Amino acid sequence: QKEVEQNSGPLSVPEGAIASLNCTYSDRGSQSFFWYRQYSGKSPELIMFIYSNGDKEDGRFTAQLNKASQYVSLLIRDSQPSDSATYLCAVTNSGYSTLTFGKGTMLLVSP
Amino acid sequence: EADIYQTPRYLVIGTGKKITLECSQTMGHDKMYWYQQDPGMELHLIHYSYGVNSTEKGDLSSESTVSRIRTEHFPLTLESARPSHTSQYLCASSEKVLREQYFGPGTRLTVT
Repeated sequence: QKEVEQNSGPLSVPEGAIASLNCTYSDRGSQSFFWYRQYSGKSPELIMFIYSNGDKEDGRFTAQLNKASQYVSLLIRDSQPSDSATYLCAVTNSGYSTLTFGKGTMLLVSP
Repeated sequence: EADIYQTPRYLVIGTGKKITLECSQTMGHDKMYWYQQDPGMELHLIHYSYGVNSTEKGDLSSESTVSRIRTEHFPLTLESARPSHTSQYLCASSEKVLREQYFGPGTRLTVT
């Protein structure tokens, strides 16, 4: 059973701080990694994707991938109350057919 | 950004009724997916399709069925709705299997 693990949270950070969200995965053959944001009652929205080891930055968001450790993270700089949501980590499985989603980490940014 | 649509957005229906949830996308994506998600819970893949006339069951056993007669259209059908089917149903599409999936707004189904 291929698994994607995330701390359910909630992760509470003050406005302006850096939020760090972590994800581990069990399938060593995973090739592509995604972070989605989901507001309560809404559908998931793509935030970042990363395919190679290292860091990828997009605005306030940075995705980090370490395939050797089977670890992917998302950093949110200058966190805003509007960032309060559940963040889902998703990885492709080695059969390449589908994505496996983690259960998500709830982020709460307090003003 | 993908344009993907789902109708209806909300549906309340009695036990035993047949229902079809509609999903359409305008991006020409070959890959389409149906997920089920209960409030505060994780996403579960119930069906997917790699193209016209191609459908597969996902990780979560479901009593629903799907069809893919046209690239842009991927409807999900429940022949006889039950209260256990109450959930949010999310449709998604992607250009390739290794690429990102884009989600529709979802259909919130309540079976009484």
